[in-house]
Formats: sequence, structure tokens, C-alpha cells
Amino acid sequence: AQTVTQSQPEMSVQEAETVTLSCTYDTSENNYYLFWYKQPPSRQMILVIRQEAYKQQNATENRFSVNFQKAAKSFSLKISDSQLGDTAMYFCASARGAGSYQLTFGKGTKLSVIP
Amino acid sequence: DAGVIQSPRHEVTEMGQEVTLRCKPISGHNSLFWYRQTMMRGLELLIYFNNNVPIDDSGMPEDRFSAKMPNASFSTLKIQPSEPRDSAVYFCASSSTGARNQPQHFGDGTRLSIL
Repeated sequence: AQTVTQSQPEMSVQEAETVTLSCTYDTSENNYYLFWYKQPPSRQMILVIRQEAYKQQNATENRFSVNFQKAAKSFSLKISDSQLGDTAMYFCASARGAGSYQLTFGKGTKLSVIP
Repeated sequence: DAGVIQSPRHEVTEMGQEVTLRCKPISGHNSLFWYRQTMMRGLELLIYFNNNVPIDDSGMPEDRFSAKMPNASFSTLKIQPSEPRDSAVYFCASSSTGARNQPQHFGDGTRLSIL
């Protein structure tokens, strides 16, 4: 079974600063996918970024980037130039399954961006 | 383009009543997932369908829970009889193909409260 661990229940960051959210995972598979989802107070789950395990290059989406350390099974999310709209719960997730994939989520990190 | 549509957005009902949650996946998506989110357990996969067929229902908590997907554009999650411990946010998600590199798109969720 896969497990995903987010060790920071809550974090805060000043507007325009950079923050890094941690995630570690455990899997016996060789090829898998990792994701970060954002859940603002509106409750919707929004895909932020994804990483394929066989790609060494870290994924980047505008102000969001990841630090993927496969050997350490670590997948942290860096948010640069934090904005008030980044305030949300952030969930790390891993995908398994040979066909349709099934996501295993961490417990989440509540991020507050302070003006 | 319309995203995943869930109804109702909120449901409050008394213990013992039947509850039916509804989901319309994104048109053209052939994989559908039901999740439950609680403070204690986080996000848990309940069941997933591929091409309208239930592939894995190992996350369904007990026989009181059932899910159907009669066609490619509609799915239901039913709880009968409901209990207070079923109170949670229930999410439906869909993805375009069975490939793991396709992200899951979530609906806005149904907040269920059982009194």
C-alpha cells in the first residue's frame, strides 16, 4: 500500500515571500505520479502541479515548482511570490494502479498567506 | 467547458434516512472516482469506475454504501440507512483516460450532515 505523509499541519508566509511545503511518500512501484492539489475555502480541489517519477527534471507551473528527490521519496512544493489567493489547504498525492490511477492523499497542510 | 458537477452542494438529514449524492463527470472522461473527506481520515477513495464498470470498491466502508454508474454521464452514491458518522464532504472526480498521466478533475463536493 502507498502512504503519503505531510508533516506540517499548518504554515504561514508573508505575502510576496517564498514558502516550501513538505511531502514524503512510500511506494513499492518503480513508475508512479505525484501531485499537489490546492483546496481553498470554497472547497474545490484544484490540481496545482504534477510530476512523473521517471523524469528527473523538476516540474514547474508559473510560481509553483517542486523539488523531487526520488531516492529520498520526497516531493516538496515551493510557492514563490506568495499571494493572498494562495491561502488554502494543500494536499500531496501519489498515483498507483496499472490502469486508471487511484490517488492516495496526505493529510494536508493549511497555508495562510499574511498581508 | 463544464467541470465535474455534483449535487446537492449541501445535504442535512436525519439518521436512518436514505441519502443519494449525484455526479456528472466531464464529457468524454471514462474514469470516475468517489472520495470522502473527513478531518480525522483526510481524503479516502471509496470507489472508482472505468467505462461505467466498478473496478475497485474496496474503500466503500460498509454495505450501507452503494454506488452506481448507469451511463457515462451520471453516477450516484447512496447511503441507506445513514448514520451520524457518515457526515463528511463527498467528492466526485473524473479523468479522461485510464492513463496515469491524466489528472483527476474534482467537483465542488457535497457536504453531508447526518443529525
